Amino acid sequence: DSGVTQTPKHLITATGQRVTLRCSPRSGDLSVYWYQQSLDQGLQFLIQYYNGEERAKGNILERFSAQQFPDLHSELNLSSLELGDSALYFCASTLGTVNYGYTFGSGTRLTVV
Amino acid sequence: QKEVEQDPGPLSVPEGAIVSLNCTYSNSAFQYFMWYRQYSRKGPELLMYTYSSGNKEDGRFTAQVDKSSKYISLFIRDSQPSDSATYLCAMSAGGGGADGLTFGKGTHLIIQP
Repeated sequence: DSGVTQTPKHLITATGQRVTLRCSPRSGDLSVYWYQQSLDQGLQFLIQYYNGEERAKGNILERFSAQQFPDLHSELNLSSLELGDSALYFCASTLGTVNYGYTFGSGTRLTVV
Repeated sequence: QKEVEQDPGPLSVPEGAIVSLNCTYSNSAFQYFMWYRQYSRKGPELLMYTYSSGNKEDGRFTAQVDKSSKYISLFIRDSQPSDSATYLCAMSAGGGGADGLTFGKGTHLIIQP
């Protein structure tokens, strides 16, 4: 157990729907990162939050949004889902704002049908 | 050309062999270099990180960075069946979280008992 908790582990939903993925960072970590992993693109950086504030954006679609709450857990919201959004979504956390030395969660496998 | 290139494998070697895994990259601004190991259905786990050029050793693992050639390597000595996994290289220009990590697609390594 890495200490980073992601729920749910699996999610199957239909095109056009909206889902929310949840991440609880490792105890004491203030930064949360979201990554998408697909077979053709590999791991792609989506967005980073530090202590409730957005710090960096990567290849995140406009249909996707995220937030980090006062208790430091984070949620990734995916809307108007398309078949191509099917992927593994990982959350990672670090103590500060440096982006190496991540601790990853086990991921949420999203299948859009 | 993708920013980070990594041979997907699979790379199959006998137990006890020395394994060499490599990545090439195109962005000369990258200064932080990492290797992650990912087992099936799990999140990536940080193995090594180095800053700029040079070598770093940790137990059976050695990471090398040659910035002049834009080439990084991970060597695994006395390989074990438990080393069978996908190995991902990752890199970034800054440590401050401004750009996330750029990952290779991973090399699938199989250690034959």
